[in-house]
Amino acid sequence: DGGITQSPKYLFRKEGQNVTLSCEQNLNHDAMYWYRQDPGQGLRLIYYSQIVNDFQKGDIAEGYSVSREKKESFPLTVTSAQKNPTAFYLCASSGGRGQGTYNEQFFGPGTRLTVL
Amino acid sequence: GENVEQHPSTLSVQEGDSAVIKCTYSDSASNYFPWYKQELGKRPQLIIDIRSNVGEKKDQRIAVTLNKTAKHFSLHITETQPEDSAVYFCASKTQGGSEKLVFGKGTKLTVNP
Repeated sequence: DGGITQSPKYLFRKEGQNVTLSCEQNLNHDAMYWYRQDPGQGLRLIYYSQIVNDFQKGDIAEGYSVSREKKESFPLTVTSAQKNPTAFYLCASSGGRGQGTYNEQFFGPGTRLTVL
Repeated sequence: GENVEQHPSTLSVQEGDSAVIKCTYSDSASNYFPWYKQELGKRPQLIIDIRSNVGEKKDQRIAVTLNKTAKHFSLHITETQPEDSAVYFCASKTQGGSEKLVFGKGTKLTVNP
C-alpha cells in the first residue's frame, strides 16, 4: 500500500475555516487527482494535474483549491466557500504516457473530513 | 460530458454463485475501462481493466466484457467468496482527450456464506 500517502486520516474543523489536505507520492507519477466520495455518489473529481505547475478543474471544483509546485505533492484546500465539505477525500496518481503505469490510478488511503 | 451509468447499486449473492455488474458509457471515443474494488474503509484498487481493441479479458475468477457498439461493459465474478464483498466501481477514459477517469456510482456486492 505504499507509494501514495494522505494525511491526516481523520480531520475535524469548525465551519468557516479553511483546511488543507496533504497528498504525497513517491511513484514518480506525472498526474495526480483529487476525488470526493459521498455515500451512493461514487467518486467525483475535484481537481487534477497532469504535470507540475499545471492543474484543471474537475466536475465539482467550486469551494476547493489546489497547487502543484512539486511533482510529489498535490495539496487540496477546502475553503469556507464549500457548502457541504464533510466527506471522504481520496487522492490518486498515475503515470504519464512514457511511464508504463499510464492508465492505472493508484489511490491514497483517504482523509475523512468532518466539519462541525 | 462523459457519463457512466452503473447497475445494480446493490447486489447480494450466495457464496459460490456468479455476480454480474454492468456499466454503460456515453462517449463513443472512450477507449479504456477499468474496474476498481473498494473494501470497507479502504482505498479503491484496480482489479481488472480492458481496452477498446479487446472484447473480453479474464483473470482467474473475474472477467470483463466490452461491447463497443452498445457502449457497455460488464464485470463478471464467478465462484464468489465472502472476501469478494466490497463496493465495485467501473470507469471509462478517453486517451488523448482529457485523460481523466469518469466513474460509475458503484455497486455494493454482498456475498453471503
